Amino acid sequence: IAGITQAPTSQILAAGRRMTLRCTQDMRHNAMYWYRQDLGLGLRLIHYSNTAGTTGKGEVPDGYSVSRANTDDFPLTLASAVPSQTSVYFCASSAGTGSHEQYFGPGTRLTVT
Amino acid sequence: DQQVKQNSPSLSVQEGRISILNCDYTNSMFDYFLWYKKYPAEGPTFLISISSIKDKNEDGRFTVFLNKSAKHLSLHIVPSQPGDSAVYFCAASITGNQFYFGTGTSLTVIP
Repeated sequence: IAGITQAPTSQILAAGRRMTLRCTQDMRHNAMYWYRQDLGLGLRLIHYSNTAGTTGKGEVPDGYSVSRANTDDFPLTLASAVPSQTSVYFCASSAGTGSHEQYFGPGTRLTVT
Repeated sequence: DQQVKQNSPSLSVQEGRISILNCDYTNSMFDYFLWYKKYPAEGPTFLISISSIKDKNEDGRFTVFLNKSAKHLSLHIVPSQPGDSAVYFCAASITGNQFYFGTGTSLTVIP
């Protein structure tokens, strides 16, 4: 069982370019999340999805969009990357209602130059 | 504004002794609290949690204490082992929809 996979592992991106970070889970979890981790700021929630077909905004949603077309996939798109989006991005999932434990992917290290 | 705070960026403890990691929160609506452990170049992994209706939860060497009146929780690790060396994040949620994480405490257990 892979759990949660993220791709790419790392990426260097020119400012202004569009980028999609991929996230796939094989646990049939209802809820999925995207976080960014920055030094001194911990993990901050970008967007979340409680179930396929629904999404919601977290603490820091500006500049990011998500979609949840099916249970397994939850891609995060940066429409026009800026240097302040340089960060490590983690995707996570949880079973949903009544279950608070989140399972995290290995992360994507993104550098916007 | 940070709703969940971990004021100690780092902590060093001798192997076999107790490690105490602290976390403070500001939102009284939080009803569930969790601790995660993170090794370098890996995603966080769930460690232990506690509901706001309890004041203590224990799992092996790990115990989480919740003081709602002080809006404070702590993680105790006894006895500490070198493999416990990692960054520990506390997190809090309201009805499990959104999770707020602290900034993390780097624990070093000295052999």
